[in-house]
Amino acid sequence: DQQVKQNSPSLSVQEGRISILNCDYTNSMFDYFLWYKKYPAEGPTFLISISSIKDKNEDGRFTVFLNKSAKHLSLHIVPSQPGDSAVYFCAAMNYGGSQGNLIFGKGTKLSVKP
Amino acid sequence: DSGVTQTPKHLITATGQRVTLRCSPRSGDLSVYWYQQSLDQGLQFLIQYYNGEERAKGNILERFSAQQFPDLHSELNLSSLELGDSALYFCASSVRDSGNTIYFGEGSWLTVV
Repeated sequence: DQQVKQNSPSLSVQEGRISILNCDYTNSMFDYFLWYKKYPAEGPTFLISISSIKDKNEDGRFTVFLNKSAKHLSLHIVPSQPGDSAVYFCAAMNYGGSQGNLIFGKGTKLSVKP
Repeated sequence: DSGVTQTPKHLITATGQRVTLRCSPRSGDLSVYWYQQSLDQGLQFLIQYYNGEERAKGNILERFSAQQFPDLHSELNLSSLELGDSALYFCASSVRDSGNTIYFGEGSWLTVV
């Protein structure tokens, strides 16, 4: 049973437009969420995170929104750039738990076209 | 560069064999995690060690084992290898045992033929 779901395997966006990547989770114990970006032949790189006490966190062109009641989060990239083309993984954890492991979604491959 | 170092980067081995993947965490990090990424799956959590002790276990097969040494580096041992074990194995590390961002190495590509 997948606890973190990214239902869109891929997304194509024009340069300069907004990219919206979505993620759903089922475990109500999750209270800390992260987005990682992964280029081919590289490890995942931490991008941005959000705690369940917030509904929005912004870092430059990247904003993550959290809707706890819907168990849904999204990553907005504005404006999108060709260098943003990568696989984006949503991840979740129980921040106050005894274990630090993240549960990942299967990823969404973003292609930003010039 | 995340500061997490994994060796080897690529490995090709035959079915039935045993391999060891090695990971050096970021300086100061006490927690090490192992993840497996195969073609049709996301990042599957295998196991976590914190300061030498096993802290969490995920979908790790009995044929696989890991340990974290006093110098905090970790090894993932994969034995009786099967074709389906071919995957990218990531090591990650973090400062604490929970409640913190984890940082990934570049992975070890294992191909079982």
